[in-house]
Amino acid sequence: AQSVTQLDSHVSVSEGTPVLLRCNYSSSYSPSLFWYVQHPNKGLQLLLKYTSAATLVKGINGFEAEFKKSETSFHLTKPSAHMSDAAEYFCVVSAPSGGSYIPTFGRGTSLIVHP
Amino acid sequence: DGGITQSPKYLFRKEGQNVTLSCEQNLNHDAMYWYRQDPGQGLRLIYYSQIVNDFQKGDIAEGYSVSREKKESFPLTVTSAQKNPTAFYLCASSQTRVGSYEQYFGPGTRLTVT
Repeated sequence: AQSVTQLDSHVSVSEGTPVLLRCNYSSSYSPSLFWYVQHPNKGLQLLLKYTSAATLVKGINGFEAEFKKSETSFHLTKPSAHMSDAAEYFCVVSAPSGGSYIPTFGRGTSLIVHP
Repeated sequence: DGGITQSPKYLFRKEGQNVTLSCEQNLNHDAMYWYRQDPGQGLRLIYYSQIVNDFQKGDIAEGYSVSREKKESFPLTVTSAQKNPTAFYLCASSQTRVGSYEQYFGPGTRLTVT
């Protein structure tokens, strides 16, 4: 069984300040982990993924995430927020289950960026 | 350009009518998925298919049906049995080989039933 918890439903930051979106996961097997971003009324876009290689993963638009097995966490960070980062962010875990890799989505974190 | 297309972007239907949402991909992906998104509830899996002519129910399959006759296409029918069909529907696809499970999403279809 697998699950993912996004610890904050909303995060509010000022433009130019750091961003931290928190994600904890549970999985019986070594998982693959993903972060996706969704702008209003759009589909989801992959930001970055972890698939058992380097634990610090760099993604698009200056985002990165660190896989911490001991803490079962995969938090998303960005050093300096931009107004265009305002969107919904989803953390996703995917691990083998009966020969399939069906992903499990977190409920999402809404990032609000103030000028 | 490779990608996933969903049509139409907006769809309006009267209660009691079935409606079919289109999803096409040219990424040569084996797996395809349908999700429903409601405000504050994230994405919920309706159906998925990992190979042509085979599909599996997700968490909220009641009131929906799908077919997978071609690798490129995975249409979703919202039937009159679906109690609350108004929602944003997202289609996705992915590879199934090890290490390549990221999903690619279409732009979505917003269905309104009155």
